[in-house]
Amino acid sequence: NAGVTQTPKFRVLKTGQSMTLLCAQDMNHEYMYWYRQDPGMGLRLIHYSVGEGTTAKGEVPDGYNVSRLKKQNFLLGLESAAPSQTSVYFCASGDDGNIQYFGAGTRLSVL
Amino acid sequence: GEDVEQSLFLSVREGDSSVINCTYTDSSSTYLYWYKQEPGAGLQLLTYIFSNMDMKQDQRLTVLLNKKDKHLSLRIADTQTGDSAIYFCAEGNQGGKLIFGQGTELSVKP
Repeated sequence: NAGVTQTPKFRVLKTGQSMTLLCAQDMNHEYMYWYRQDPGMGLRLIHYSVGEGTTAKGEVPDGYNVSRLKKQNFLLGLESAAPSQTSVYFCASGDDGNIQYFGAGTRLSVL
Repeated sequence: GEDVEQSLFLSVREGDSSVINCTYTDSSSTYLYWYKQEPGAGLQLLTYIFSNMDMKQDQRLTVLLNKKDKHLSLRIADTQTGDSAIYFCAEGNQGGKLIFGQGTELSVKP
């Protein structure tokens, strides 16, 4: 029972490089979310999706794009990474928008 | 805008009770949550309470909600060293978006 799986677990990028973080859930959840966690600031919502083919902006969407082509996958893209995007990224999914289940996180460093 | 506030640190001795407090601003919140994060791990949902409830008990965990004061607390009875972690309070509304507090780091000393 995998739940929410994030890949990769760690990544180091140079400024200006691009990358995609993958989130996969096997619980048939409609809702999926991407958060970033920075020291002393809790989790902040980047983008979210309420169903396959839909995406919406969260609290801190600038510099990120997302896609939800398949119900089980939610991709977070960084087109041109900046040091300010150094963070821990968490994906979550939920079936009714109320209870969210989190992945283990991706630690990203941008040099 | 919506905001959730928590104290940053709490230290207790093993066997004592721990009380972690949280205040929030959005009176339209439908659910309030407590998540636990162990070092290097993701967030684990501990418990949640619907906004029309005052209290919820689940084994060693007791959640109290004072809706008038917008105050939420999590009490952990007989705290163990394995309870050492960061605890996040979060509020949610019908839109499915959660607003998290900064997290309270609980340190349990033997």
